[in-house]
Amino acid sequence: DSGVTQTPKHLITATGQRVTLRCSPRSGDLSVYWYQQSLDQGLQFLIQYYNGEERAKGNILERFSAQQFPDLHSELNLSSLELGDSALYFCASSLAEYNEQFFGPGTRLTVL
Amino acid sequence: DQQVKQNSPSLSVQEGRISILNCDYTNSMFDYFLWYKKYPAEGPTFLISISSIKDKNEDGRFTVFLNKSAKHLSLHIVPSQPGDSAVYFCAASGGSGYALNFGKGTSLLVTP
Repeated sequence: DSGVTQTPKHLITATGQRVTLRCSPRSGDLSVYWYQQSLDQGLQFLIQYYNGEERAKGNILERFSAQQFPDLHSELNLSSLELGDSALYFCASSLAEYNEQFFGPGTRLTVL
Repeated sequence: DQQVKQNSPSLSVQEGRISILNCDYTNSMFDYFLWYKKYPAEGPTFLISISSIKDKNEDGRFTVFLNKSAKHLSLHIVPSQPGDSAVYFCAASGGSGYALNFGKGTSLLVTP
């Protein structure tokens, strides 16, 4: 158990819908990262927050957004969902930005 | 553009022998390298890391070697155990940020 929690574990929805994925980092960790794992692309970085502020963006679509709240939990919002958004979404946290990242169990999103 | 490459999709090793997993990278700005282990339906688990100021780091049965001139790193597992069977991901960060760039993974099977 890494100490990073993610909810829900599974999510099945339809195209065009909007969903929110939630992540609670390890106690004391200030940095949160979101990654997407699809079958053909592997693990891809989406976005990073550090102590409430956005720090870096990767291959994140404009339909996706995220935020980190004062209690340091983070949410990833995915809207206008398409079939290709079906993937595993992982959250990771680290104490500081240069420390190793610890991953949550992931949320499996299926868009039908 | 895959900046971290794991060219062997799979590897099979007998229990008790050495497992050597390889990883190549193209971005000379990377200065921090990590190995993660992943079981199905779980998030990646941090194994070991190495910074670019070192060429070797050991933790129990796991040793990571870094050859900066060749832009190559490897993970050695000695002795290999059946419980080591999993997918191993190489990751790197550095340059413009702390997000991890992942390889596509090597599936290790340790047979009794």
